[in-house]
Amino acid sequence: GAVVSQHPSWVICKSGTSVKIECRSLDFQATTMFWYRQFPKQSLMLMATSNEGSKATYEQGVEKDKFLINHASLTLSTLTVTSAHPEDSSFYICSAKTWGLRAYEQYFGPGTRLTVT
Amino acid sequence: RKEVEQDPGPFNVPEGATVAFNCTYSNSASQSFFWYRQDCRKEPKLLMSVYSSGNEDGRFTAQLNRASQYISLLIRDSKLSDSATYLCVVTIGGKLIFGQGTELSVKP
Repeated sequence: GAVVSQHPSWVICKSGTSVKIECRSLDFQATTMFWYRQFPKQSLMLMATSNEGSKATYEQGVEKDKFLINHASLTLSTLTVTSAHPEDSSFYICSAKTWGLRAYEQYFGPGTRLTVT
Repeated sequence: RKEVEQDPGPFNVPEGATVAFNCTYSNSASQSFFWYRQDCRKEPKLLMSVYSSGNEDGRFTAQLNRASQYISLLIRDSKLSDSATYLCVVTIGGKLIFGQGTELSVKP
């Protein structure tokens, strides 16, 4: 089956620093990648959708200047949390799908747990 | 109002019990419907799709009522390994919209 990896799996950083999370599709071409955020006991919330080679489309309420998304290749997307603050501490999950597949046919990465101190 | 609402639980049941989860969605434009399972600190995994005619996969039965915008999941003969959070999910405009999940704990 299709495999999506994320790196790092967990990270602790100090307030004010930036953190980059990588999402890779290992055995298929990910024309579309999605970034989600999940706070404890809450639902996964879609942050943004990125298509390879295009600018990401952000959901309402998500600051595009704070959460920088780059999808420069068909196997890699990155999410950079700039000037992180404790309220950005969350579980960040990416997913990927290839062109033509339906929305539910997206493969999830294992997630990255970010703690900002 | 949340787009997808679930009872957060937790549901604590003994092994062998039958347990039912309910979910409602607010957007009538929702196109497809699913149940996902999420283990603690892990990514969600697709459990099953949900159809109006109802569908069954082993001990799991899912049902969709489009008129009342209601989705259900029934788990029969619960196993310890069923302990997880069950997420109700709909698709709207090519996106997955998740409920907050219902936590299930199956005890010996």
